[in-house]
Amino acid sequence: SQKIEQNSEALNIQEGKTATLTCNYTNYSPAYLQWYRQDPGRGPVFLLLIRENEKEKRKERLKVTFDTTLKQSLFHITASQPADSATYLCALGSNSNSGYALNFGKGTSLLVTP
Amino acid sequence: EAGVAQSPRYKIIEKRQSVAFWCNPISGHATLYWYQQILGQGPKLLIQFQNNGVVDDSQLPKDRFSAERLKGVDSTLKIQPAKLEDSAVYLCASSFGPGLGSEQYFGPGTRLTVT
Repeated sequence: SQKIEQNSEALNIQEGKTATLTCNYTNYSPAYLQWYRQDPGRGPVFLLLIRENEKEKRKERLKVTFDTTLKQSLFHITASQPADSATYLCALGSNSNSGYALNFGKGTSLLVTP
Repeated sequence: EAGVAQSPRYKIIEKRQSVAFWCNPISGHATLYWYQQILGQGPKLLIQFQNNGVVDDSQLPKDRFSAERLKGVDSTLKIQPAKLEDSAVYLCASSFGPGLGSEQYFGPGTRLTVT
């Protein structure tokens, strides 16, 4: 069966360091991968999209890599700040029979301490 | 630009009762999604609309859940009758199109508690 796995343990890092979150998948051939941020009591917010033919994408302090051979995406936040504390969701998209279905992982909780 | 609106924000019902959620997507967004997010899990797609037609409802428990999107704008999701395991946050999202990698905009969700 299809599986999307994100770091099960919460990630605690010190302000200023780089946070690296992992998204692994099995039995899946995604056409693209998206990362979302979710704060408590709120809906997810889109951060970055990377397509299957792309290796890396950057946006300000964010960087995403996509390795279709390893079936893995890494999400990096450089110079992390306490305001980056949230849950980060990995979502894989593929061309299903009837639409571009998006499947989410469970998310990784990130805590950045001053 | 106004975001995705949902109501109510919270709802508590007893099992076997019915409940309905409402969603108003971002203006001009043709695609609308309903997700169920159980505590500690990622969102799970229940149904996807393109304008007022259903694109994907493969994970919708059709014996108790129903959804409609009349006129291709607002949408309602109904549960009848509710079960304890339906306790979750119901998220509505919209996107400009269903195209490959379309960014989805989420509403704040409705937290449903079934007792």
